[in-house]
Amino acid sequence: DSGVTQTPKHLITATGQRVTLRCSPRSGDLSVYWYQQSLDQGLQFLIQYYNGEERAKGNILERFSAQQFPDLHSELNLSSLELGDSALYFCASSVGESRSYNEQFFGPGTRLTVL
Amino acid sequence: DQQVKQNSPSLSVQEGRISILNCDYTNSMFDYFLWYKKYPAEGPTFLISISSIKDKNEDGRFTVFLNKSAKHLSLHIVPSQPGDSAVYFCAASPNQAGTALIFGKGTTLSVSS
Repeated sequence: DSGVTQTPKHLITATGQRVTLRCSPRSGDLSVYWYQQSLDQGLQFLIQYYNGEERAKGNILERFSAQQFPDLHSELNLSSLELGDSALYFCASSVGESRSYNEQFFGPGTRLTVL
Repeated sequence: DQQVKQNSPSLSVQEGRISILNCDYTNSMFDYFLWYKKYPAEGPTFLISISSIKDKNEDGRFTVFLNKSAKHLSLHIVPSQPGDSAVYFCAASPNQAGTALIFGKGTTLSVSS
């Protein structure tokens, strides 16, 4: 158990809909990262938050957005869903920015299926 | 444009033998490299890492080798055990602290008894 929790575990929805994925980082971790893993793909970085502020953006679509709340949990919002958005979405957390490496701890993921 | 490549989608090894998983990268700005292991229905878990100032890092049965000139790293597992059967992801980062990781597509390792 990494200490990172993600809800829901599975989500099935229709094209055009909007969903929200939730992530609670490990206690004490300030950084939250979102990754997407599509079929036969590695994990693609979407976005990072550090202590409530957006820190880095990767290959995140404009239809997707995220935020990190004062209690440090994070939500990833996916809207106008398309079939190609079906994937595993992982959240990871780390202590934050420091001189030494911050290992990222991953949650179990949310499997999104768009029909 | 894949910056981190794992060219072997799968590898089968007998229990007790050595498993060698390979990874190539293209971005010379990468400074830190990691291996993650993933079981089905679980998130990736950190296995071992190496900084670009080293060429080898060892942790028990796991050793990572880095060849900067060839932009290549490898993970050696000796001896391999059935419980090592999983997907192994190579990842890279431009620095050590708090930045997103660039992952390869993974190699599925199967260790038979």
